[in-house]
Amino acid sequence: EAGVVQSPRYKIIEKKQPVAFWCNPISGHNTLYWYLQNLGQGPELLIRYENEEAVDDSQLPKDRFSAERLKGVDSTLKIQPAELGDSAVYLCASSHQGFYSLETQYFGPGTRLLVL
Amino acid sequence: QKEVEQDPGPLSVPEGAIVSLNCTYSNSAFQYFMWYRQYSRKGPELLMYTYSSGNKEDGRFTAQVDKSSKYISLFIRDSQPSDSATYLCASAAGAGSYQLTFGKGTKLSVIP
Repeated sequence: EAGVVQSPRYKIIEKKQPVAFWCNPISGHNTLYWYLQNLGQGPELLIRYENEEAVDDSQLPKDRFSAERLKGVDSTLKIQPAELGDSAVYLCASSHQGFYSLETQYFGPGTRLLVL
Repeated sequence: QKEVEQDPGPLSVPEGAIVSLNCTYSNSAFQYFMWYRQYSRKGPELLMYTYSSGNKEDGRFTAQVDKSSKYISLFIRDSQPSDSATYLCASAAGAGSYQLTFGKGTKLSVIP
């Protein structure tokens, strides 16, 4: 079974430029997450989708960040314009929604963003 | 104070040593306690999780939770160089909960 796929793996941009990250979740997983991981820190949730609906975007900085999950499969996270402080790893994860047990989240390899 | 605290290390041990990794948490609502392993330039992968207090063993790995002291531990027996990674503890509230609160991670190096 293929895991969560993310692209690009690395991205270097200048500040104020736009950038987009793409994620393809594990087949059959209806729940998709975007996390931000700063160096030396644990992942922090940005947004969670159930199918195509963003059910929790409370941690997404909406002035510059946006996300979409058209057709409830692939997802794109965008930053416009990027700032120096956005340099981090952006992780995508997916899971099968569980109501009575822990949802095991499977993470992709991440996109490492460097803003110059 | 963060809800999950973890010493970032780094921790360096010789091959074959017993490794003890620890976290503390402050939110009494947490019921699920997880350990993720993250290799360099990879995403975290779930090693194991426990529900409420108690121990859980999986091969060379043992997870332990003491809810009375809000203490989470992961023990690795007979550590191998392939165990060298960053270990992240995480906690979540009730069933169906998706909101994971991660610690900073402890970087472990197992020296051959």
